[in-house]
Amino acid sequence: KAGVTQTPRYLIKTRGQQVTLSCSPISGHRSVSWYQQTPGQGLQFLFEYFSETQRNKGNFPGRFSGRQFSNSRSEMNVSTLELGDSALYLCASSLGSGSGYKTYEQYFGPGTRLTVT
Amino acid sequence: DAKTTQPPSMDCAEGRAANLPCNHSTISGNEYVYWYRQIHSQGPQYIIHGLKNNETNEMASLIITEDRKSSTLILPHATLRDTAVYYCIALVANAGKSTFGDGTTLTVKP
Repeated sequence: KAGVTQTPRYLIKTRGQQVTLSCSPISGHRSVSWYQQTPGQGLQFLFEYFSETQRNKGNFPGRFSGRQFSNSRSEMNVSTLELGDSALYLCASSLGSGSGYKTYEQYFGPGTRLTVT
Repeated sequence: DAKTTQPPSMDCAEGRAANLPCNHSTISGNEYVYWYRQIHSQGPQYIIHGLKNNETNEMASLIITEDRKSSTLILPHATLRDTAVYYCIALVANAGKSTFGDGTTLTVKP
């Protein structure tokens, strides 16, 4: 089955602009998590959505937001971009609920590389 | 999530077993140990996870000590394509978030 897809793969924005990134999870997966990866901070958790509701949240400012649609696709938005927002943004999907060994295995997409100038 | 500690780097000869250790001494009873790896510029890839029993799949084996304070990921026959950063994570199974540390950079050498 198809893996996690993220669009766009690369993006260049200027400071002060806003950006929306998209993630399509694996079919049947209801949980989508977002991460930011930078050389200095490593992989950091942003938030998780499950059944259109934010279920977990990391320690990021309110400029970072997200949402999930009824088909489990998710978007994240960053407003008022800063230079420090330049990073690889990864999303990961998982079943997210139920019992069973595979429920919480996360499958990551290729990421969107955002450059803020 | 319990904090995990891994060596920053390791080398392994091609064809030999790679044994990657992870310390999670503060792990709680309901936290699983997960392993992921990230090959340069790609998203992390799930490898394996376990609670207290040793686990094996087509990619690797996971050995968890009886007291659950540490674990070892074993790649039985490392290849050059196994060169990557390996992350060990301890988290509650119902958490859709993973706290990634710095991981171990494994370099497989010919």
